[in-house]
Amino acid sequence: KAGVTQTPRYLIKTRGQQVTLSCSPISGHRSVSWYQQTPGQGLQFLFEYFSETQRNKGNFPGRFSGRQFSNSRSEMNVSTLELGDSALYLCASSLVGTDHEQYFGPGTRLTVT
Amino acid sequence: AQTVTQSQPEMSVQEAETVTLSCTYDTSESDYYLFWYKQPPSRQMILVIRQEAYKQQNATENRFSVNFQKAAKSFSLKISDSQLGDAAMYFCASGGNYGQNFVFGPGTRLSVLP
Repeated sequence: KAGVTQTPRYLIKTRGQQVTLSCSPISGHRSVSWYQQTPGQGLQFLFEYFSETQRNKGNFPGRFSGRQFSNSRSEMNVSTLELGDSALYLCASSLVGTDHEQYFGPGTRLTVT
Repeated sequence: AQTVTQSQPEMSVQEAETVTLSCTYDTSESDYYLFWYKQPPSRQMILVIRQEAYKQQNATENRFSVNFQKAAKSFSLKISDSQLGDAAMYFCASGGNYGQNFVFGPGTRLSVLP
């Protein structure tokens, strides 16, 4: 089975721009979660999608949004980028949710200049 | 709000020896799950072990075992017969059913010395 894939792997954007990151989960997995990893704040939960519905959301501003498609693929969007949004964004998929094993992708490294 | 604390930013262990990583958590939920995830250098995060809070028996996975003390809200990871490939960042995490956020601790960087 193919693992979780994330595209792009690296991204450089300018303050004020917006960005869309993509995540393809393992086949059959219906839950997709997103995390932000930074040296200062560590790993922080952004949100979880299950069957195209956001069922959980972390403590991030409204600039961070996401969606999930019928094939379980998910996208995450960040609008009006700030320097502090520079981070590794990890996507994880699971059969049923974050209470079970999550399989992580390699991440997208976003740099905001 | 859920919190997860790992008080050891770094630890080292000699190859073939045993090491214990500490984790404490706080949650108001009665039904929750605890995890240890491992993030090797430049590699993807993988699950090490999972514990269901309603189960008193400590989870084990080969060389990895936990000491789950529910009343003390403690969840330590013991790695026996440490191997060079165990070197990684280890994250303790707490999550639960629908409606619960997933929370990671700050991590413990484990070095394995040959």
